[in-house]
Amino acid sequence: GEDVEQSLFLSVREGDSSVINCTYTDSSSTYLYWYKQEPGAGLQLLTYIFSNMDMKQDQRLTVLLNKKDKHLSLRIADTQTGDSAIYFCAEPASGGSYIPTFGRGTSLIVHP
Amino acid sequence: DARVTQTPRHKVTEMGQEVTMRCQPILGHNTVFWYRQTMMQGLELLAYFRNRAPLDDSGMPKDRFSAEMPDATLATLKIQPSEPRDSAVYFCASGSGLAGYREQFFGPGTRLTVL
Repeated sequence: GEDVEQSLFLSVREGDSSVINCTYTDSSSTYLYWYKQEPGAGLQLLTYIFSNMDMKQDQRLTVLLNKKDKHLSLRIADTQTGDSAIYFCAEPASGGSYIPTFGRGTSLIVHP
Repeated sequence: DARVTQTPRHKVTEMGQEVTMRCQPILGHNTVFWYRQTMMQGLELLAYFRNRAPLDDSGMPKDRFSAEMPDATLATLKIQPSEPRDSAVYFCASGSGLAGYREQFFGPGTRLTVL
């Protein structure tokens, strides 16, 4: 089965960069996702990266994929207090399903 | 502003009572998911539907949980009888087509407390 692992907490100072890391297990995953959950809300898709890419950049977000090590990271540049949320890494379930298997989530705390 | 709605937002009930949670997917979305989120287990997929047909409900305790889609605009998740271990936040999400599995639009959740 698949297992997505993330550290549970990350604390950064406003204006610094945040790097959230994730390891996954299924080397055949065609893409991987990052979802964001703000307090009291459901998850929302933040970004995703296809497995044939090493990097994807979208404004302040940079996703890095290391397929050899099955490692995915999300970098948030110039972190703001509004970025405080739980960030979930996810990969599609094995067996051809596209349903995401979510990690436990990393709580990002941004302090002034 | 299309969004997934869920009712109720909060529910407190006593053990043994029936609980029904409702979800209205985004109009036009044909895939609906039910998730449960707890501190201990994280986010678990309970069931999902495509074009109103249940495709997988293996994540649900069969003896007490049931999920249905009476029509394209309503999905329900029922627990009967409820138990304290069912206390969690239940999320509904919807999507469209194959991309709908990747980009799911989540509702705000129903926070269930079973005493």
